[in-house]
Amino acid sequence: DAGVTQSPTHLIKTRGQHVTLRCSPISGHKSVSWYQQVLGQGPQFIFQYYEKEERGRGNFPDRFSARQFPNYSSELNVNALLLGDSALYLCASSFGWAGMQFFGPGTRLTVL
Amino acid sequence: AQTVTQSQPEMSVQEAETVTLSCTYDTSESDYYLFWYKQPPSRQMILVIRQEAYKQQNATENRFSVNFQKAAKSFSLKISDSQLGDAAMYFCAYVLGDSGAGSYQLTFGKGTKLSVIP
Repeated sequence: DAGVTQSPTHLIKTRGQHVTLRCSPISGHKSVSWYQQVLGQGPQFIFQYYEKEERGRGNFPDRFSARQFPNYSSELNVNALLLGDSALYLCASSFGWAGMQFFGPGTRLTVL
Repeated sequence: AQTVTQSQPEMSVQEAETVTLSCTYDTSESDYYLFWYKQPPSRQMILVIRQEAYKQQNATENRFSVNFQKAAKSFSLKISDSQLGDAAMYFCAYVLGDSGAGSYQLTFGKGTKLSVIP
């Protein structure tokens, strides 16, 4: 079975631009969570979605938004990019909202 | 707010030897889970081991075991018979049990970089 997949693998944007990151969960998993990992730090929770509804949101500005589709895949959107948004963005899926989380390989975002 | 502290930014171990990575956490809750994740240079976050707070018995997974001291809020990872493939960043993480907060969000420490010397 395929694991969690994320696209794109790498992305380079300039300040002020908008970016969309995509995540496909493991088949049968209904929850997707997003984490931001800045270089040298542990991942930080951004969002959790379960059954297409937002279950939780971390301490991130409104420039960050996400959604989950009927097939349980998810998008993370970031508007008005700042240099500080440069990070590895990790997606994790789980069967239930409180289940074991399995991570994807991440998207490396560089903001110039 | 819950916090997770890993006080060793870097560790090294000889191949075939044993190493222990430290983690402490701060919470006022009684229902929670603790994890160790491994992140190799490939960036994929891989679950190494999981411990339920209500279980007194320490979790083990092959060469990996934990020393869970609930009163001291300590959760260390022991790697026995270290192998070259164990070299990676190791993250300790905490999550509130499903009877608590509305979301199931992992709180991570800053990580420990483990090097394995041949």
